[in-house]
Amino acid sequence: EVQLLESGGGLVQPGGSLRLACVASGFNFSSYAMSWVRQAPGKGLEWVSVICGSGDSTFYADSVKGRFTISRDNSKNTLYLQMNSLRAEDTAVYYCAKLNGDSCYSPLDYWGQGSLVTVSS
Amino acid sequence: DIVMTQSPDSLAVSLGERATINCKSSQSVLYSSDNKNYLAWYQQKPGQPPKLLIYWASTRESGVPDRFSGSGSGTDFTLTIGSLQAEDVAVYYCQQYYSSPFTFGPGTKVDIK
Repeated sequence: EVQLLESGGGLVQPGGSLRLACVASGFNFSSYAMSWVRQAPGKGLEWVSVICGSGDSTFYADSVKGRFTISRDNSKNTLYLQMNSLRAEDTAVYYCAKLNGDSCYSPLDYWGQGSLVTVSS
Repeated sequence: DIVMTQSPDSLAVSLGERATINCKSSQSVLYSSDNKNYLAWYQQKPGQPPKLLIYWASTRESGVPDRFSGSGSGTDFTLTIGSLQAEDVAVYYCQQYYSSPFTFGPGTKVDIK
C-alpha cells in the first residue's frame, strides 16, 4: 500500500524558514517523480513544485521560485521542500504527492494527508 | 503559463442524474508526438486530500467507478458523472501536466439538489 507521510509544518514568522519532509513507503520511491501541492484555507489547489524520478530535473511555480527548493533522498525514501523567505500568502496545507511515472509530465496518483504551514507574526 | 478555467463554479444535481463539469485550457495540452492530452481530473471531499479520477483526459484510474468519465481534446474537456451518488459530493479539479507550471483549474463544487 502506498503511503505518504508529511511532517515539518507549523507556525513560522514572516521571513522565516521551514523544511517539510515526506516519507514514502509501499513503492519503489526512486522510480517515481514526486511533487508538492498546496491549498490555502478555503481555497483551491495550487501546484508548487515537482522533482523527476532521477532527481536531476525540478520545476517550480512562479510564486515560490527562488524561495523554495525541492529535493529527494532516495536512500531514505524521503521528499523535502525547503521553504525560505516565507510570506503570509504561503499559509496553506502542503500535500506531498506521487506521480504515476518517473517523468515529471505525469498525473498525481497518490497524495499524503497534508501538513499545515502557517506564516504569521 | 497555461491557465485552466472550469465551469460552472458549482452545481446541484438530483441523485441519479447526470453531472457535467467543463474545463478549458488557455493553450492545447495535446502532445503531437504521442497524441495524448496531458489533462487529469481530481476529486476532493471535505477534509481529505485530492484523489485522482481520470488521466490522459479519458483514462479512468484503477478503482474509480465507471459512472465517472472524461472526454475532450486540445483545449476543451469534460468530466461527466453519469448517475450522481451521495458519495460524489465533492470539489472537482482539472489539471494540466503538459508544461510547467502544472496548473490546476479553480474547482467545481458538486452538491445534491
